[in-house]
Amino acid sequence: GAGVSQSPSNKVTEKGKDVELRCDPISGHTALYWYRQSLGQGLEFLIYFQGNSAPDKSGLPSDRFSAERTGGSVSTLTIQRTQQEDSAVYLCASSLRRGGNTEAFFGQGTRLTVV
Amino acid sequence: AQKVTQAQTEISVVEKEDVTLDCVYETRDTTYYLFWYKQPPSGELVFLIRRNSFDEQNEISGRYSWNFQKSTSSFNFTITASQVVDSAVYFCALTSNNAGNMLTFGGGTRLMVKP
Repeated sequence: GAGVSQSPSNKVTEKGKDVELRCDPISGHTALYWYRQSLGQGLEFLIYFQGNSAPDKSGLPSDRFSAERTGGSVSTLTIQRTQQEDSAVYLCASSLRRGGNTEAFFGQGTRLTVV
Repeated sequence: AQKVTQAQTEISVVEKEDVTLDCVYETRDTTYYLFWYKQPPSGELVFLIRRNSFDEQNEISGRYSWNFQKSTSSFNFTITASQVVDSAVYFCALTSNNAGNMLTFGGGTRLMVKP
């Protein structure tokens, strides 16, 4: 597709369950980011992938959060044993290359609700 | 650490009014990049502009204009003759190569343009 695609668009899960969120970046984009947007916290960086380099996981809030990027393309963000405070919109973005001199394009996000 | 402050959480104007959204940033890096994104109700972050730290030239794109002033660490965004379709949340963001290329976002300004 032409843009960053995320699925599902909405996810409601019970507390304690695991969830997987998927991101399809723009074809050819080597950099991929996950951000979280929640009330009161704004937009927070979670994790960054660049090509085959080790990801920058510095923004992951706890060890319940993990992400992988297979084949340098699709990425999956996994949240284990979900908690109510995990409720947020999870946004994925991709950019053509590493570096601030290129813009990141965002998907429409996955709205996660933990009940 | 990098920081972006958007002091205006919400602005309401009447259609055709001009409106300026403020953005103040903090960074220790000498080379950095500033961005503005628009988030309409659909939720997707739409890229508007990127500006690097060594280019202080102001930019105009249609009804949009940006005023970058390093002396005051500000990167303000003006919409001229606002329209109802401009209603959205606008985010200012900052990154640098030393910051790992992740975006640091301001808290966003919700702009409501009334007919």
